[in-house]
Amino acid sequence: SQQGEEDPQALSIQEGENATMNCSYKTSINNLQWYRQNSGRGLVHLILIRSNEREKHSGRLRVTLDTSKKSSSLLITASRAADTASYFCATDRRGYGGSQGNLIFGKGTKLSVKP
Amino acid sequence: DAGVIQSPRHEVTEMGQEVTLRCKPISGHNSLFWYRQTMMRGLELLIYFNNNVPIDDSGMPEDRFSAKMPNASFSTLKIQPSEPRDSAVYFCASSLGLDANEQFFGPGTRLTVL
Repeated sequence: SQQGEEDPQALSIQEGENATMNCSYKTSINNLQWYRQNSGRGLVHLILIRSNEREKHSGRLRVTLDTSKKSSSLLITASRAADTASYFCATDRRGYGGSQGNLIFGKGTKLSVKP
Repeated sequence: DAGVIQSPRHEVTEMGQEVTLRCKPISGHNSLFWYRQTMMRGLELLIYFNNNVPIDDSGMPEDRFSAKMPNASFSTLKIQPSEPRDSAVYFCASSLGLDANEQFFGPGTRLTVL
């Protein structure tokens, strides 16, 4: 089963609006990462938040982490048409007793920003 | 830096044929990952190497799939024999260190098995 589940599956907004995507996970984690994937391309790392952090910013991105609720959110402020992509959260697998270093990805949120 | 390099970018083959996908990780990275992405199943980890040694291959679907990393700068994923249900985009990614750090993805190989 998926460790990370994004919500919503798809989101359509107008340029300039904010976009919020959520991720829920099942087991304890060391860190949670967000990635972006443009159509036909590989994933690109956006931001990593550690389990002892609650909020992190990077440019127009804001990530929060609530370990008590096992959830994270990614906020993109003042969205642009170029932000159109799929966004994935990824968690490590230590809670599963699995090996170090590998991540479990959710199925992603497809964001469409209309000009 | 060139980033993670994968070849070929597209592969179309017939059922039963052998397929070999190739990956060159970022120089200096010591962890390498092979993923498969489909609409139905999303992004699945197939196998993971650290310092050229396979660490976790529990995601490899079946014996038809095999992966090697003969040195720090090259890895292959082989499917023999290929089946239509293997059609997917296969990504290679690399990272630095043992912890679940940022992974750098290649552009992927789109495989179509007819």
